[in-house]
Amino acid sequence: EAQVTQNPRYLITVTGKKLTVTCSQNMNHEYMSWYRQDPGLGLRQIYYSMNVEVTDKGDVPEGYKVSRKEKRNFPLILESPSPNQTSLYFCASGWEARGETQYFGPGTRLLVL
Amino acid sequence: DQQVKQNSPSLSVQEGRISILNCDYTNSMFDYFLWYKKYPAEGPTFLISISSIKDKNEDGRFTVFLNKSAKHLSLHIVPSQPGDSAVYFCAALNSGYALNFGKGTSLLVTP
Repeated sequence: EAQVTQNPRYLITVTGKKLTVTCSQNMNHEYMSWYRQDPGLGLRQIYYSMNVEVTDKGDVPEGYKVSRKEKRNFPLILESPSPNQTSLYFCASGWEARGETQYFGPGTRLLVL
Repeated sequence: DQQVKQNSPSLSVQEGRISILNCDYTNSMFDYFLWYKKYPAEGPTFLISISSIKDKNEDGRFTVFLNKSAKHLSLHIVPSQPGDSAVYFCAALNSGYALNFGKGTSLLVTP
């Protein structure tokens, strides 16, 4: 089954404790991306990657890191999480950013205390 | 600054009638527009898209209209069904690959 998986789905952590949210896709997509969804702000893009070893900042990259060492995985790293990073995070992948082939994962709900 | 704006946070429509969701954008470099639908506890799913060289695209009950001069697009759902109740996000692309989303409009279709 074609899908984008994220782990963990729910996470509660404390300020400053490094964490990684994993994202994996099994569709051999070139493009992968991370978004955060906040009440009243909609979906905002954090980082995206056009291919292996190619990443670029989206609208809200501060406080986040990403890596794309292999095509199927695109982890989101919070080196020193802060409460303002409490949010719902979505990973997405697609053949390209245009068109209907961008598939979203189920989301990761993060609470930073 | 929000470049894609959905000024109606919510919309309620009766089953069988037309739902019209609106979206405005400020960046004239946007050349591709998409609508996504999102149910609670799920990721967004693609609904329909339109290139800036067109002014209309239709897919079944869903039609997207683009007015470039007004920097405005709209999604029409006819007829509306209770299963259409969801949050709808408008999104736009420029020549790059960063997808800009609006804040979403919550549609409720009542029986």
